[in-house]
Amino acid sequence: DAKTTQPNSMESNEEEPVHLPCNHSTISGTDYIHWYRQLPSQGPEYVIHGLTSNVNNRMASLAIAEDRKSSTLILHRATLRDAAVYYCILSNAGGTSYGKLTFGQGTILTVHP
Amino acid sequence: NAGVTQTPKFQVLKTGQSMTLQCAQDMNHEYMSWYRQDPGMGLRLIHYSVGAGITDQGEVPNGYNVSRSTTEDFPLRLLSAAPSQTSVYFCASSYSPRAGNTIYFGEGSWLTVV
Repeated sequence: DAKTTQPNSMESNEEEPVHLPCNHSTISGTDYIHWYRQLPSQGPEYVIHGLTSNVNNRMASLAIAEDRKSSTLILHRATLRDAAVYYCILSNAGGTSYGKLTFGQGTILTVHP
Repeated sequence: NAGVTQTPKFQVLKTGQSMTLQCAQDMNHEYMSWYRQDPGMGLRLIHYSVGAGITDQGEVPNGYNVSRSTTEDFPLRLLSAAPSQTSVYFCASSYSPRAGNTIYFGEGSWLTVV
């Protein structure tokens, strides 16, 4: 299965943009890129996903490199409620890893007031 | 619409006891799965199901059984609890197992085996 690499931790100040990177150099053509986050003592929460083009939603933006070997989750204005562990996950549309999610260690985001 | 509901939220077991973690979803999702999360680590897949009557093993299936008799329910059974099974367990569901579908997680079940 293709794997992702994320920094262990990042810090930001409130109301500033945050760019969370993810490397996935072995990504296949059928892999979607998902981002989930996990607040303390809660289950993971969907943030955004994409395949090839950049994506925007009310929570964040996802910028995908042209070669798809890396991506960046962008929180436009960080709030204290955005402090969480952020997971970059690849989801295979077919083949033997059908439907399976593989979580890495994720990036712990700390937001300072 | 309750989403994914897990029970119990907290449980303490003695070594060797058995128990069932319940998971139910009301979104008519075909795909359901169970993950465990140990302290400071990401989630690891235990078992998953792509529809009623169909289950398969994930990354860490030993010591756990599952069944899927209905679309709504996907219970996880611990046959003989061991301290190594102390963890937080998350149930998840999605409309389709195909990539690109949002996966919804329950709030977790904290299990301690003493």
